[in-house]
Amino acid sequence: GEDVEQSLFLSVREGDSSVINCTYTDSSSTYLYWYKQEPGAGLQLLTYIFSNMDMKQDQRLTVLLNKKDKHLSLRIADTQTGDSAIYFCAERASNTGKLIFGQGTTLQVKP
Amino acid sequence: EAQVTQNPRYLITVTGKKLTVTCSQNMNHEYMSWYRQDPGLGLRQIYYSMNVEVTDKGDVPEGYKVSRKEKRNFPLILESPSPNQTSLYFCASSPTPQGAGIQYFGAGTRLSVL
Repeated sequence: GEDVEQSLFLSVREGDSSVINCTYTDSSSTYLYWYKQEPGAGLQLLTYIFSNMDMKQDQRLTVLLNKKDKHLSLRIADTQTGDSAIYFCAERASNTGKLIFGQGTTLQVKP
Repeated sequence: EAQVTQNPRYLITVTGKKLTVTCSQNMNHEYMSWYRQDPGLGLRQIYYSMNVEVTDKGDVPEGYKVSRKEKRNFPLILESPSPNQTSLYFCASSPTPQGAGIQYFGAGTRLSVL
């Protein structure tokens, strides 16, 4: 069935790069997403990638997609303390439009 | 400003007392959805609606009802809340169910059922 898996926690130092990984199972997903949730807030769409792309870059964010291995990653360059949040990977079910979320990765950025 | 508005933001209630969480979007989106967020489980879809008067169950619909009488509103109804419905709830909307269908989320409603 549909499933999205992420590691639960990542800690980095300010200025380093962060890489958050995600695996998914639904090979028919055409779009994959990264959302950010800051404490006490809703979900903010960071970026998304179409399944026929391998990479997408948007300022400090780089998304890599390995469709063969069903692996998605989000790289944040020059990580700042303001990047501390929970990051959710999600795929969209093509028939219902449902977003299938991973458990979320808590990113802790140490000064 | 384009937004999804949920009310209330926080709610404490007792078992069995009917409650409604409202959701409204001002973007003329066809697709609306409710999710609940629980620690370690991410977000799971409760119900969704493809358009007015069209609703369907998501992954965890038990104990919930929804209605979609108007395009902009999609209330979530708990007829007889129980403690296992204590959670953080999010409403979301997107232009259509297909395509990139970027979903916009409300700020969330934190519900505690005692």
